[in-house]
Amino acid sequence: SYELTQSPSVSVSPGQTASISCSGDKLGDKFAYWYQQKPGQSPVLVIFQDFKRPSGIPERFSGSNSGNTATLTISGTQAMDEADYYCQAWDSSTVIFGGGTKLTVL
Amino acid sequence: EVQLVESGGGLVQPGGSLRLSCTASGFTFSSFWMHWVRQVPGKGLVWVSRIYSDGSSTNYADSVKGRFTISRDNAKNTVYLQMNSLRAEDTAVYYCARDLSLSDALDIWGQGTMVTVSS
Repeated sequence: SYELTQSPSVSVSPGQTASISCSGDKLGDKFAYWYQQKPGQSPVLVIFQDFKRPSGIPERFSGSNSGNTATLTISGTQAMDEADYYCQAWDSSTVIFGGGTKLTVL
Repeated sequence: EVQLVESGGGLVQPGGSLRLSCTASGFTFSSFWMHWVRQVPGKGLVWVSRIYSDGSSTNYADSVKGRFTISRDNAKNTVYLQMNSLRAEDTAVYYCARDLSLSDALDIWGQGTMVTVSS
């Protein structure tokens, strides 16, 4: 079965750029999606189809996907961006989530 | 306001059954595929099931296939998850989510309902 792998944690200083990666076999041939989840809240879609932002998502969130790796980039990271981030892809009509990355802003 | 509200969670014994509901408002429910996703508290998201907008097709994760059934009533703007033969490992928060069909993104999520399987 298809798997997506994420690093468990990433740390970034306020104002700096955070990069969160997601790897999977030939992931670049699929679309990647990213969700943000803050403690006690439901997930929020932040990037879809590799790089597109839903309305209301700040421009500092961007995405890319090539080869075996998709990347979520947060430029000028703010304290409010501290959260768990999950990548997602589709495989054989099923949804696959990565294990999640905890972003710490310190 | 676009909204999804889940209900039906609770405590159930192993081997028991439970039916979750997710009621939508603020959008044309019958035009969208819908999903169920679960999350053990403190752990990651796990996809459970999907149903097409007209209910004509469904998909399931291997872990629930044959035990869970997804269905919908477009007249009631509601999607259901019938869960049978429940196991301790089914304990989780269950979210319903809307599939933004053209992009296949899960763009709207409910607040979740907790299911606890324990004796």
